[in-house]
Amino acid sequence: EVQLVESGGGLVQPGGSLRLSCAVSGFTFSSYWMSWVRQAPGKGLEWVANIKHDGSDKYYVESVKGRFTISRDNAKDSLYLQMNSLRAEDTAVYYCARSEYHSFNYWGQGTLVTVSS
Amino acid sequence: QSVLTQPPSVSGAPGQRVTISCTGTSSNIGAGYDVHWYQQAPGTAPKLLIYGTNNRPSGVPDRFSGSKSGTSASLAITGLQAEDEADYYCQAYDSSLSGSYVFGGGTRVTVL
Repeated sequence: EVQLVESGGGLVQPGGSLRLSCAVSGFTFSSYWMSWVRQAPGKGLEWVANIKHDGSDKYYVESVKGRFTISRDNAKDSLYLQMNSLRAEDTAVYYCARSEYHSFNYWGQGTLVTVSS
Repeated sequence: QSVLTQPPSVSGAPGQRVTISCTGTSSNIGAGYDVHWYQQAPGTAPKLLIYGTNNRPSGVPDRFSGSKSGTSASLAITGLQAEDEADYYCQAYDSSLSGSYVFGGGTRVTVL
């Protein structure tokens, strides 16, 4: 059974940092692109970043470029999102998702990040 | 403002057919990229409903179908059921920004 479990969310002050993790199981992690997708409270979905199987290519939505870094450890079947210089508008539930054919076919349960003083 | 445009809400009685539109541009749907649809029940994570414009993952009822024409796509739900009450999102790749994926704003389906 495919499982994705996010962790690391919480309350952080504006300008602060947070590192999200996503532990996966049930599939060969190193064979898939992986993504982070977020959803602000009461709002729609927004793709944040993705990373190639081997970590060699990474892409970001414009609003997080230079502040967020996506990474992965294929030996640990884990995906990460380092978030720096956090802003109030980054408040959202962050989902990790497996990418395939430009879609997101498996999702985690999400972890809530709240940026507030 | 989402890159893909969806109606905020649609509704229908049990057993009826409803459709949700998703309008894009020449850099996403109009460029020939596949459209994917997700269903999100309240308080849960999104679930892939339709991929590659008109394909259903295993376990998704055939009451759900997708189509695409030009810069627009549609999701149809036939034989509407109470359990279909949820938010639905379309999504596509967008070539205007490298490696970018875009979503619609979401459509709330209400079963009357």
